[in-house]
Amino acid sequence: DQQVKQNSPSLSVQEGRISILNCDYTNSMFDYFLWYKKYPAEGPTFLISISSIKDKNEDGRFTVFLNKSAKHLSLHIVPSQPGDSAVYFCAASDDGGSQGNLIFGKGTKLSVKP
Amino acid sequence: NAGVTQTPKFRVLKTGQSMTLLCAQDMNHEYMYWYRQDPGMGLRLIHYSVGEGTTAKGEVPDGYNVSRLKKQNFLLGLESAAPSQTSVYFCASSYLLGYNEQFFGPGTRLTVL
Repeated sequence: DQQVKQNSPSLSVQEGRISILNCDYTNSMFDYFLWYKKYPAEGPTFLISISSIKDKNEDGRFTVFLNKSAKHLSLHIVPSQPGDSAVYFCAASDDGGSQGNLIFGKGTKLSVKP
Repeated sequence: NAGVTQTPKFRVLKTGQSMTLLCAQDMNHEYMYWYRQDPGMGLRLIHYSVGEGTTAKGEVPDGYNVSRLKKQNFLLGLESAAPSQTSVYFCASSYLLGYNEQFFGPGTRLTVL
C-alpha cells in the first residue's frame, strides 16, 4: 500500500514554461514533506521542504504547495530550464520522523525541452 | 568537504557471496541511513542509525546487517547475496532525525548473478 503516490511517471515541458509535479499521500500523520531531485548516476539532492503548519514555501524558482485537506502537495518550477530535467521524488515523514523514516514516492521524470 | 561518500561505486557478486558497502560522511551528522532503489520504485529504507554504536531496522531490513562503529561511518553488509538484492544502494546522513533534509551519497550499483 503506497503511502506517497506520484501518479505521473513523466512530464514534458517547454523551456520557460511552468512545471507542476504532483504528489498525494494517504497517511494523515505525515507532517513534513520534502522534494528531492535526482540526476542519472547521482544521489538525490534536497530541493525544498514544507511543514504541515504551512501551505506554501518558496525558494527561488521552486514553490511547494500543501493542501492538507486533500492530502496533496505540488512542486512548481517557474520558469523551467533544461537543467531541471531530472527525476523528482516527493517524500514525507510523520511525528518528526521519529523512526528515521522518509517515505518516498516512485518519482516523476521531468524533461524540459529547449 | 566531501559530504557523503560511498564505496564501491559498482560491484557484481555471485549468489551466496558476501560483501560490505561503506558509507562515510564528514558533516558530523548523528543520523545515517541506508536505502535501496529499484527500477520504477522510490527509495526504501533498509536500516538506519541514530548515533555511534546504534542501529535500527527500516522498511526492508531482511538479508542485510549494519554497523556504526564510528560516527562518520555506516557499513551495510550482505552475508549471502541473492539476485533479489540487485539494486542501487544509497547512503544518507542528517543533522536531525526528522524535520530536516537528508544528504545522500552517489550510490552503489550492485548486481547479484
